[in-house]
Formats: sequence, C-alpha cells, structure tokens
Amino acid sequence: AQSVTQLGSHVSVSEGALVLLRCNYSSSVPPYLFWYVQYPNQGLQLLLKYTSAATLVKGINGFEAEFKKSETSFHLTKPSAHMSDAAEYFCAVRLDTGTASKLTFGTGTRLQVTL
Amino acid sequence: EPEVTQTPSHQVTQMGQEVILRCVPISNHLYFYWYRQILGQKVEFLVSFYNNEISEKSEIFDDQFSVERPDGSNFTLKIRSTKLEDSAMYFCASSEALRGLGLLRRDTQYFGPGTRLTVL
Repeated sequence: AQSVTQLGSHVSVSEGALVLLRCNYSSSVPPYLFWYVQYPNQGLQLLLKYTSAATLVKGINGFEAEFKKSETSFHLTKPSAHMSDAAEYFCAVRLDTGTASKLTFGTGTRLQVTL
Repeated sequence: EPEVTQTPSHQVTQMGQEVILRCVPISNHLYFYWYRQILGQKVEFLVSFYNNEISEKSEIFDDQFSVERPDGSNFTLKIRSTKLEDSAMYFCASSEALRGLGLLRRDTQYFGPGTRLTVL
C-alpha cells in the first residue's frame, strides 16, 4: 500500500521568502513521486516528478524537490516566493511496478504569499 | 501544448438522475483515468482504463459508475443514479505508454480542468 502525508494544510510566507512544503511517503516498493499545483478554479498542473533518476528534481516556476529515501521525504522548495505562487499544492505517489497506475494524493497544502 | 479537456465545466443535476461527464485525453495517450475531489478533501482515484477495459478501480467506483471510450477521442464517466454525496470535482487524466525493460510503463498523468458536479 502507498500513502502520502503532507504536514501543514496551510503555509503562509512573505514574498521573497523561502517556500518549504513538506511531503512524506509510505511505499512498499520504490515509488514515483509527484508534486501538482492547483490554482483557484483550475485543474491539477504537474510541477515536477521523481522517477528514480536524480534525487534533486527541478520543476517549473523555480520549484524543486529532493527525494530522501532515508527520511521517506520529498519536500518541495522554492528559494523566493512570488505572489503568483499562491495555490494549493498536492504531493502524490505512484508505485514503480510498471503496471501500477493510480496516483495516491496527500491532503494538500494551501500556500499563501503575503506582501 | 496538448492538453486534456473536459466538458461541461459545471453540471447541476437532481438526485437520482444520470449524468455523463466527458473528457478528451491528449491524442497520443493510451491510459485514461478519473479522479474526484470532494470539496475540502483530497483528490481520490476512481478508475483507470486501457485498451478498452478497466485496468484498476477503487472501492468508490461501484456499480453506479461506468466508463467508456465511445470513439477515438472521448472518454466518459457515467453516474447512473446520482446521490448527494457524488457532488465533487471530477478530474480526467491521461498518460502515455512508454516501453522499457520489456514492460509497458505508464508515464506522467496530465489532468484536465475538471467538471464540478452538484447534486441537489
């Protein structure tokens, strides 16, 4: 079975400050890990993904995430927040078995960016 | 850039009525999915579809639900007799098939903008 835990349902940062959104996973086999972003009234947009290549993954809009197997974590970071980053962020896991398909999502973290 | 599209964007229906939610996946993708997100809750997997049959489904996907690929482009989710608790945002997703190490692997899932279903 696979699961994802996102710590903090709401995170507020000042514009220009570091963004850190936490994600821990549980998986019985090597996982694929994803971060998706959902802007208000829009669908889910892929930010980045980890597929067992490099442990530090760079995504769109300046975001990156580091896979740490020892900590079962895949935290999302951005050095400097922008007002346009305000959205809901979802971490998701998928088993890397070749035949598995479903994504299991975390409960999401709403990022607020203040002036 | 290719994208997944969904219609309608918002559907309002009476309890007990049938609804069909429509999706047009990205054209070269072979795997199709439905997820739903009840307001304030996390996104939940419903069903995956490949080669004209269901490949995986969750416990949410009971006999009231069905999926179909009626032609070469559309992928539909039908709810036969809607309940109040079916009110949610329904997302369609699709992914490519990648062949590697002798296996056909599913690649990244790309999501549509969703259909908000309101059951009264």
